Amino acid sequence: DGGITQSPKYLFRKEGQNVTLSCEQNLNHDAMYWYRQDPGQGLRLIYYSQIVNDFQKGDIAEGYSVSREKKESFPLTVTSAQKNPTAFYLCASKADRDSVYSNQPQHFGDGTRLSIL
Amino acid sequence: SQQGEEDPQALSIQEGENATMNCSYKTSINNLQWYRQNSGRGLVHLILIRSNEREKHSGRLRVTLDTSKKSSSLLITASRAADTASYFCATDSPTGGSYIPTFGRGTSLIVHP
Repeated sequence: DGGITQSPKYLFRKEGQNVTLSCEQNLNHDAMYWYRQDPGQGLRLIYYSQIVNDFQKGDIAEGYSVSREKKESFPLTVTSAQKNPTAFYLCASKADRDSVYSNQPQHFGDGTRLSIL
Repeated sequence: SQQGEEDPQALSIQEGENATMNCSYKTSINNLQWYRQNSGRGLVHLILIRSNEREKHSGRLRVTLDTSKKSSSLLITASRAADTASYFCATDSPTGGSYIPTFGRGTSLIVHP
C-alpha cells in the first residue's frame, strides 16, 4: 500500500543533542512538508519542499534543518538550537507542486512525538 | 501565520445528532480542505472544495463554501461515537509565490454513545 511512513513514533532528546526524524513516501509525490503540532495551536509549517534538492522555510524554521536528496525522503533534524522541541511532528506530501492550479489534498504520516529527557 | 480559524473550539453531542463546524479565513483561496485527526495520529483528508464551488457532499459529510464571507462549514449528519476526533480546515492560499496549505487550530468533537 502507498503511504507516508514516519519514524520513530516516539523520540527522546537530551540537552545539546541533534535528532533526526525520518519521513519516507512511496506515493511518487512531488511536494513534502513538515509541521509541528502543539496542543491548542493547530499545525505550524516548519519546512516544505516542492522538488528534489530544493526546500523552503516555513513559519517556524529556526532550530530545524531539512534535506531533500531523494524524491521519496524528507528528513527533519531538530538541532540543539531549538530550545523548546517537545511537540508532535507531522510529515505530509502532495501529488503536485503548490500552485494556483493545484487542487490536491495532502497525505499525512502518523507523526513522531518528540520529548526532552 | 494561521489562515483558517475553526469554530467552535470544542463540540460535545449525542450519537445521532448533527455536528456543524465552521471555518473562517482571511485572504483569497484556491481551495479549502477539511481533515480529521484521531488522537495521536496523523491527519486524514475528508473533502476538498474549490473556490468556484459552493457545496460538496461525501457520505454523511456536507461542506459549504461562501467566498464572499470567507467562510466554510462542515456538517456531519447522524453522528456516531467513531466520529470523535479533531477536525481541521486548511486553505491553499498564496504564500511567497506558492500555494502552501495552512491550517486552523481545529475543532475537537466528542460524540457520546
